[in-house]
Amino acid sequence: SYVLTQPPSVSVAPGETARITCGGNNIGSKSVRWYQQRPGQAPVLVIYYDTDRASGIPERFSGSNSGNTATLTISGVAAGDEADYFCQVWDTSSDHFVFGPGTTVSVL
Amino acid sequence: QVQLVESGGGVVQPGRSLTLSCATSGFTFSNYGLHWVRQAPGKGLEWVAFIGYNEGNQYHADSVKGRFTISRDNSKQTLYLRMDYVRVEDTAVYYCTREEVGMDVWGRGTTVTVSS
Repeated sequence: SYVLTQPPSVSVAPGETARITCGGNNIGSKSVRWYQQRPGQAPVLVIYYDTDRASGIPERFSGSNSGNTATLTISGVAAGDEADYFCQVWDTSSDHFVFGPGTTVSVL
Repeated sequence: QVQLVESGGGVVQPGRSLTLSCATSGFTFSNYGLHWVRQAPGKGLEWVAFIGYNEGNQYHADSVKGRFTISRDNSKQTLYLRMDYVRVEDTAVYYCTREEVGMDVWGRGTTVTVSS
């Protein structure tokens, strides 16, 4: 089955840029989604089709996908961005949806 | 507004059965595929099952295949997850979520605890 990898944590100072990677074999050929989950809350769709922001998501959030790595970039990080972030793809070979293990973003 | 409300969680003994429901409103239910996604305590998200808008496509994660069954009733705008032969490792918050270009709407979840 298809496996996604993410760093467990990313720390960033307020106002700086956070980059969260999502690794997978030839992930650039797949469509990647990103979800934000704040503590005690349900997940929220942030990015779909690799680069498109979901409704209500600030322009500070952007996505890219190429080769074996997809990346979620948060520019001008604020305290409210502290959350877990999960990447997700549809694996056509197994007809399974797959989530990455998640990355905790901490704002210093 | 669009709403998904899960119910049916609780404490269940290993090997027993449980059915979760997800009542929806605010959108044309029959036009959308739907998922169940779960999250064990302190863990990440795990996709459980998906059902297409017309029930034609149903997919289940390997961890639940043969034990769990996703279904829907378009007349009641409700999604279901029948859970048979539950295991301790099925303990989690279970979310239903709508599939559009991503999982764009989520319920608040219902908690299932498998314990003797």
